[in-house]
Amino acid sequence: AQSVSQHNHHVILSEAASLELGCNYSYGGTVNLFWYVQYPGQHLQLLLKYFSGDPLVKGIKGFEAEFIKSKFSFNLRKPSVQWSDTAEYFCAVNKGNTDKLIFGTGTRLQVFP
Amino acid sequence: DAGITQSPRYKITETGRQVTLMCHQTWSHSYMFWYRQDLGHGLRLIYYSAAADITDKGEVPDGYVVSRSKTENFPLTLESATRSQTSVYFCASSPDRSSYEQYFGPGTRLTVT
Repeated sequence: AQSVSQHNHHVILSEAASLELGCNYSYGGTVNLFWYVQYPGQHLQLLLKYFSGDPLVKGIKGFEAEFIKSKFSFNLRKPSVQWSDTAEYFCAVNKGNTDKLIFGTGTRLQVFP
Repeated sequence: DAGITQSPRYKITETGRQVTLMCHQTWSHSYMFWYRQDLGHGLRLIYYSAAADITDKGEVPDGYVVSRSKTENFPLTLESATRSQTSVYFCASSPDRSSYEQYFGPGTRLTVT
């Protein structure tokens, strides 16, 4: 069965700290990879996506993610977090020949000033 | 541009009652999805639809019914609500299969007492 793992369930950082959130998936073949963000009280929004090409993907608000095929990973990074980055972050994977996204369980990020 | 809307935003119902959650999108997207979000489980797909009159089960379809008579609407019905269906429900849409990116509604918080 497809699975997407986010090992960090809750991350607490101070402003200006660097962030890396892990995402691993469990199957091979062609995949399309996404990170979504859910700010408190809001709906999910796309942060960035990877379909093909350069494995280092840049998204909105200074976020980036690196696809490492050999490690089945798509980790999210930001060099310097802000208080406004407090949110829940979801990794999602689409296997290339299906219609569906499989979401990880999410990582709650709290950033303190 | 209304995008994707859900109604009601909050609902409290009793065990055994039928409840319908509405989802409407103004983009004419082909694909629509229903997810439930629960602590520790992230987002789980309930049902999805590739086009009007085409629906398919997701990961957790039991106890739910969907229909899609018009492209823009995708209602989700709980035929006989149970406490385990207390959750936040998100509707999403996607323009076509090649995009895979999904756009989410604001969610409906359902409590079954």
